[in-house]
Amino acid sequence: RKEVEQDPGPFNVPEGATVAFNCTYSNSASQSFFWYRQDCRKEPKLLMSVYSSGNEDGRFTAQLNRASQYISLLIRDSKLSDSATYLCVVISYNQGGKLIFGQGTELSVKP
Amino acid sequence: DVKVTQSSRYLVKRTGEKVFLECVQDMDHENMFWYRQDPGLGLRLIYFSYDVKMKEKGDIPEGYSVSREKKERFSLILESASTNQTSMYLCASSSRANTEAFFGQGTRLTVV
Repeated sequence: RKEVEQDPGPFNVPEGATVAFNCTYSNSASQSFFWYRQDCRKEPKLLMSVYSSGNEDGRFTAQLNRASQYISLLIRDSKLSDSATYLCVVISYNQGGKLIFGQGTELSVKP
Repeated sequence: DVKVTQSSRYLVKRTGEKVFLECVQDMDHENMFWYRQDPGLGLRLIYFSYDVKMKEKGDIPEGYSVSREKKERFSLILESASTNQTSMYLCASSSRANTEAFFGQGTRLTVV
């Protein structure tokens, strides 16, 4: 079983839709969680960190459920420019700060 | 502006060649990472380093080695390049506080 798992998609949604991605992790010692965005042929860039209390940044909301060991990303009012691959990232301190990536979820927002 | 810089964007090498991929960061980060990214497989960790001269194997270290002689520089070495090492290679760095990780722009390596 992979340490971090995501549904690879693709998710094809119309503009204005709300879309949600989930990511599960297997190491209960995991301590830090992030969502990254990767555009085609570009490097990943931080979208947002995920805090235990949940956090929101404009149209984006991230949630963490430690009991069930998953994190989620909700995108409201999707824009064409949201089309990208979204990567879930977990850091487990008992693994020396190793960054562990999910395989990414591809999102395509259509007019 | 923070930066992680990889020495080449595109590289073509022959089978059996020794290949060096260089990564330099200017953020005084302790942690540095090398990943490869292939379609359908996501980012897979090759090696990482949490301090100068320290290294840890990732998930797919076979066929690779690394060097971290200075804090700002982390080198990935393909001892004898093979065609199955054709891939996108991404370097990243992060602080010991394990906040945001920053990536280089990637090196697309083709082994022929």
